[in-house]
Amino acid sequence: QSALTQPRSVSGSPGLSVTISCTGTSTNVGAYNYVSWYQHHPGKAPQLILYDVASRPSGVPDRFSGSKSGNTASLTISGLQAEDEADYYCCSYAGSHRVFGGGTKVTVL
Amino acid sequence: EVQLVQSGGGLVQPGGSLRLSCAASKFTFRTYSINWVRQAPGKGLEWISDISPSTSTPSGSIINYADSVKGRFTISRDTAKNSVFLQMNSLRAEDTAVYYCATDRAWLEENYFDYWGQGTPVTVSP
Repeated sequence: QSALTQPRSVSGSPGLSVTISCTGTSTNVGAYNYVSWYQHHPGKAPQLILYDVASRPSGVPDRFSGSKSGNTASLTISGLQAEDEADYYCCSYAGSHRVFGGGTKVTVL
Repeated sequence: EVQLVQSGGGLVQPGGSLRLSCAASKFTFRTYSINWVRQAPGKGLEWISDISPSTSTPSGSIINYADSVKGRFTISRDTAKNSVFLQMNSLRAEDTAVYYCATDRAWLEENYFDYWGQGTPVTVSP
């Protein structure tokens, strides 16, 4: 039940794009199209921003998009805004359990 | 508005026990699985357990645990009270974390956490 691998941090200027990778294995990310992403501001509950790799819940801006290739999923935030500064976690279904990534801190320069 | 309200956290000595509660309101709790996810200080999120609805299979709820808590933590649900509980025994310093409950409907192949509780801190220290 090892964690998925994410970069510890990424940064970008307002209006530009950043992409966060999430690498797992053939038993989690590679096996299922059940990758979800969560935005987490310190002191608050995490918020779902993408599910099933690339689907957005109601209310989430289309600046957030997702994809997957093999054992690696990705989250792209386009048109960065100041309020996007937060921690982002990927999560994959893995049969009888779930596994999260280690988290990526997004900094808006 | 859907709400998950948590209670039961606090300070406990190593080897001690604590029971967390997660109460749901304003949604059909009985159709959701409830998960527990924790975040240790300075660390990322860690999924630790889930329990499916009692009606999800002919034999009742399905329960799963992460290896890190298996044999020490027990998850249960009381449908009449719209609540899920996490009984934590033999607590260790490494169990210190903020604990969140979160919903999904994995039994319907909705494998994502759509609603979250506010989080409750647990500190294991002498």
